[in-house]
Amino acid sequence: ETGVTQTPRHLVMGMTNKKSLKCEQHLGHNAMYWYKQSAKKPLELMFVYNFKEQTENNSVPSRFSPECPNSSHLFLHLHTLQPEDSALYLCASGAGRAGGGYGYTFGSGTRLTVV
Amino acid sequence: DQQVKQNSPSLSVQEGRISILNCDYTNSMFDYFLWYKKYPAEGPTFLISISSIKDKNEDGRFTVFLNKSAKHLSLHIVPSQPGDSAVYFCAASPLGNSGYALNFGKGTSLLVTP
Repeated sequence: ETGVTQTPRHLVMGMTNKKSLKCEQHLGHNAMYWYKQSAKKPLELMFVYNFKEQTENNSVPSRFSPECPNSSHLFLHLHTLQPEDSALYLCASGAGRAGGGYGYTFGSGTRLTVV
Repeated sequence: DQQVKQNSPSLSVQEGRISILNCDYTNSMFDYFLWYKKYPAEGPTFLISISSIKDKNEDGRFTVFLNKSAKHLSLHIVPSQPGDSAVYFCAASPLGNSGYALNFGKGTSLLVTP
C-alpha cells in the first residue's frame, strides 16, 4: 500500500460504456491529481484539486469528468471513450506545492483499455 | 510543448558503476525539481528533489545536480545496483500556486546488469 489506493487496477470498457475510476488517500494531503500515462509519452496532467476545488483542467475532453467529494476521495467518470484513451491513469496526492518538496504520492494506477 | 525533456529513453549500466540520468527544462519559472522512480505495474515513487537555491542534493547513493544557467539537472546513482533497474522520471514545479502541477519528462529506462 502506498497510501494512495486506486480501483480498479485494470478496466476494459467498450466505447459506449460508462465507468468510474476511484482514488482514495488517507495521508492528510490537501491536493489530488489525475495523470494519464500513454506509451512513450510523458505523464500528462489532467486535473488538479486543491481542498476539493478544481484548480486546473488541462484541456481534457469532456468525456472525462472528475469529481472530488472530499479531500480524501477523487473520481474520474468515463463515458463514450475512444480507443486512443487507452492508457495508465494515475492518481496522486500531495501536501502543498510540489508536495511540500517531497513530491506527490502516486497510486498504482488503473490500466484502462477501450475496445 | 514539452517543458521537461529526458532525451535518453534508455540507459544500460554495469552493476557497481555510476548511472547518470539527464534532464533538461525550458521554463525559467521552474524552481523545484524532483526525480521519480517507477517499476512496472506500480505508480511512480518519489526519489529525491532539489530546490533552485541549491546546486546539489545528496541522499545515500543518489545525488541530484542542478545547473540553472544551462537549465539542466542530472541524477547520479553510485554504485548502481540491479534493483535500481526502473524507469526514472524527471519532474519540475513552477513558482506560485501553479506549482501544484508537476511537469514530467518522458522517462529514462535504466537497466543495471550484474
